[in-house]
Amino acid sequence: NAGVTQTPKFQVLKTGQSMTLQCAQDMNHNSMYWYRQDPGMGLRLIYYSASEGTTDKGEVPNGYNVSRLNKREFSLRLESAAPSQTSVYFCASSGGQGHTEAFFGQGTRLTVV
Amino acid sequence: KNQVEQSPQSLIILEGKNCTLQCNYTVSPFSNLRWYKQDTGRGPVSLTIMTFSENTKSNGRYTATLDADTKQSSLHITASQLSDSASYICVVTILTGGGNKLTFGTGTQLKVEL
Repeated sequence: NAGVTQTPKFQVLKTGQSMTLQCAQDMNHNSMYWYRQDPGMGLRLIYYSASEGTTDKGEVPNGYNVSRLNKREFSLRLESAAPSQTSVYFCASSGGQGHTEAFFGQGTRLTVV
Repeated sequence: KNQVEQSPQSLIILEGKNCTLQCNYTVSPFSNLRWYKQDTGRGPVSLTIMTFSENTKSNGRYTATLDADTKQSSLHITASQLSDSASYICVVTILTGGGNKLTFGTGTQLKVEL
């Protein structure tokens, strides 16, 4: 049972470079999420997708874009990375309305130098 | 101000001892409250869930309580083990037209020592 799979696990970028974080889930969940986790702060929602074909901004969307490619996959793109985007990124999924347990991936540790 | 606040920020206890972690929240309308455990370098994993009408829920050595009137929850860990060393995160969910909205606390970092 793979659950939620994120790639890559680690990444170092130079300021201004772009990259895409990939996320896939095999639980047939409707909702998918991208969070960032910084020291001393709770997980903060970047973007979410309540269902295939829809995406919405979360608490900290600036500097990011997302694509809900299909029901399984939800990618996060940094168009021009900045040091402030150094963080650990988590993808999660849940069954949607009434099914609120979120299942998380292993995380991507991103460093922007 | 964070809408979900946890205390203490960190805690060190000896193996075999009990401990209680606290969570206060202000988010509304409340749907449910979960406690997650996050091991170092891993994603959070759900331990318990409580809805508005539930006061207590157990999962092995973990017992969560909820007082919806005072908007407080606690997680009690009994007979702690080294493997309990982790961050424990309180998460409050509200249901919106756009899906579930999860608000995370900053977590309590627990270390269990010999």
